[in-house]
Amino acid sequence: AQSVTQPDIHITVSEGASLELRCNYSYGATPYLFWYVQSPGQGLQLLLKYFSGDTLVQGIKGFEAEFKRSQSSFNLRKPSVHWSDAAEYFCAADRGSQGNLIFGKGTKLSVKP
Amino acid sequence: DAGITQSPRHKVTETGTPVTLRCHQTENHRYMYWYRQDPGHGLRLIHYSYGVKDTDKGEVSDGYSVSRSKTEDFLLTLESATSSQTSVYFCAILSRGAGYNEQFFGPGTRLTVL
Repeated sequence: AQSVTQPDIHITVSEGASLELRCNYSYGATPYLFWYVQSPGQGLQLLLKYFSGDTLVQGIKGFEAEFKRSQSSFNLRKPSVHWSDAAEYFCAADRGSQGNLIFGKGTKLSVKP
Repeated sequence: DAGITQSPRHKVTETGTPVTLRCHQTENHRYMYWYRQDPGHGLRLIHYSYGVKDTDKGEVSDGYSVSRSKTEDFLLTLESATSSQTSVYFCAILSRGAGYNEQFFGPGTRLTVL
């Protein structure tokens, strides 16, 4: 079955440290891949997306993600975390032509001062 | 915000009561979606629509029905609410361009079923 896995439920990093959030997908073919961020009590905001081409994609707020076909991964990175990055992050994959997304269960990021 | 509004934003109801949530969009997008978000589950697709009067089930559709009588509105109905349907409900639209699809989400509706 198609699935998206985020192995880390909760991560804590210090402000200014680097960040990597993991995402693995299980699909027959390479899906469209997305990262969303959700601040407490808010809706979801699209951080970045991968459709094809360059496997390193840049997003908003200084985030980037790298698609690795051999590892079925699409990990999110940021070189220096800010306190305002504390939120929940969701990886998602597009199932196909109808645009239906399947989401991972999310990773909650806490930032220590 | 892609012009998506949801109403109501908060609702408390009792078990067995019918509930309808509304999603409204202003940009004439063809595809619309309803998700529910629960701790430890991420977002799960309930139903989606690919045009007026055209809808289909998602992975957690039991206990829910939808209707889309005009492009801008997508309604989610709980015919007889149960406590297991206490959740945050998000509506989304699909924006399509050359070689890409992007979903944009509404602000959510927090539903509590007592």
